[in-house]
Amino acid sequence: QITLKESGPTLVKPTQTLTLTCSFSGFSLTASGVGVGWIRQPPGKALEWLALIYWDDAKRYSPSLQNRVTITKDTSKNQVVLTMTNMDPVDTATYYCAHTVVTAMLDAFDIWGQGTKVTVSS
Amino acid sequence: DIQMTQSPSSLSASVGDRVTITCRASRNINYYLNWYRQKPGSAPKLLIYAASSLQSGVPSRFSGSGSGTDFTLTISSLQPEDFATYYCQQSYSTLTFGGGTKVEIK
Repeated sequence: QITLKESGPTLVKPTQTLTLTCSFSGFSLTASGVGVGWIRQPPGKALEWLALIYWDDAKRYSPSLQNRVTITKDTSKNQVVLTMTNMDPVDTATYYCAHTVVTAMLDAFDIWGQGTKVTVSS
Repeated sequence: DIQMTQSPSSLSASVGDRVTITCRASRNINYYLNWYRQKPGSAPKLLIYAASSLQSGVPSRFSGSGSGTDFTLTISSLQPEDFATYYCQQSYSTLTFGGGTKVEIK
């Protein structure tokens, strides 16, 4: 059974850097085709994809956020980390991590974490 | 970026109704289109991937069709748990989601 869980601060101040961790089980991020992505959702708004990392360490970023976002993986800990710099109140959202298999699912996210709410406020 | 436009943005329907939601891409995405259902306070759930492939465990009342720029999600007989918001997502290039379609109880 695949599970993912997000963790990190619930409150950050403007201009600070946000670091979120996705801890997962039930799959290996060394298996061919496997990826983990980050998606966020501001309150009452639509989903927004942020970043995606694959088994071979290839990375993809949203063009609108690529200057602020970095995604990394630690396969020994079964974790994926997202950092976002220069946080602003508009970045207030629920942040999700999710599993994909690019070969089988063409980057559809089949399993999602429960999400973690992040508020940006001074 | 490829823009994804969903219509309608909201609709009202009754249990048992047939519901159709459309998603249009700003350029050709072949069949790289996925559909999700999101209930309030919960994470999205994958329903359909690659335009028409039913995700494992998803009821057969859900179906997807289309290719190129125009896609459709159909719910053949709306159930109480289907009152939710639906999102399309393209994975042809840098991933983008549609704006969502909220299905409400009539």
